[in-house]
Amino acid sequence: QVQLVQSGAEVKKPGASVKVSCKASGYIFTNFHIHWVRQAPGQRLEWMGVINSGSGGITYAQSLQGRVTMTRDTSANIAYMELSSLGSEDTAVYYCARDHFDTGGFYFPDYWGQGTLVTVSS
Amino acid sequence: DIVVTQSPDSLAVSLGERATISCKTSQSVLYSSNNKNYLAWYQQKPGQPPKLLIYWGSTRESGVPDRFSGSGSGADFSLTISSLQAEDVGIYYCHQYYTTGRTFGQGTKVEIK
Repeated sequence: QVQLVQSGAEVKKPGASVKVSCKASGYIFTNFHIHWVRQAPGQRLEWMGVINSGSGGITYAQSLQGRVTMTRDTSANIAYMELSSLGSEDTAVYYCARDHFDTGGFYFPDYWGQGTLVTVSS
Repeated sequence: DIVVTQSPDSLAVSLGERATISCKTSQSVLYSSNNKNYLAWYQQKPGQPPKLLIYWGSTRESGVPDRFSGSGSGADFSLTISSLQAEDVGIYYCHQYYTTGRTFGQGTKVEIK
């Protein structure tokens, strides 16, 4: 069965960086895009960007351009999301999620990881 | 980015009764070349990730009970739960995937009256 297992919770100081991992299993990793979505406490879901797990092609949300980096390791079936210059507004649960289709483009997520809480606090 | 607005923010419905959530987008999400609406619905329960319910505006995801249905086109959509069950309590989000900058609605909290 499709599973996405994320790394554990993190506490970071303002200005630091955080790197979250997402290990995929149960499907052909390189056939599907991986989205990253975050949710600040009590807020709506915010789409951060998407990586083509096969080609490595990336599309970032404009609001995070320059601070977010998405990568993947095809030998280990792991996707990564790194966010730099953290501020209190980055405190959120971060999710990775697989795209629904394996057609080459990216559409919407279907299977989601369990989420990783990132807390930014001095 | 397309702004996605849901209404109401919350609603309380008796068990077995109908619940309807509205979702409006600031521009049409209907792609004319394939006549598909690039809109999905998700359900989120406390402490859990979102669960996909509906995509293309009205296509039910495999395994989703048929009491959930999506309707609408262009910039005006609805999610209906025909007969609310206790396990349907949660927050429901609509999501547009028409533009590169994907966006979600603010969520609608569904509770039992």
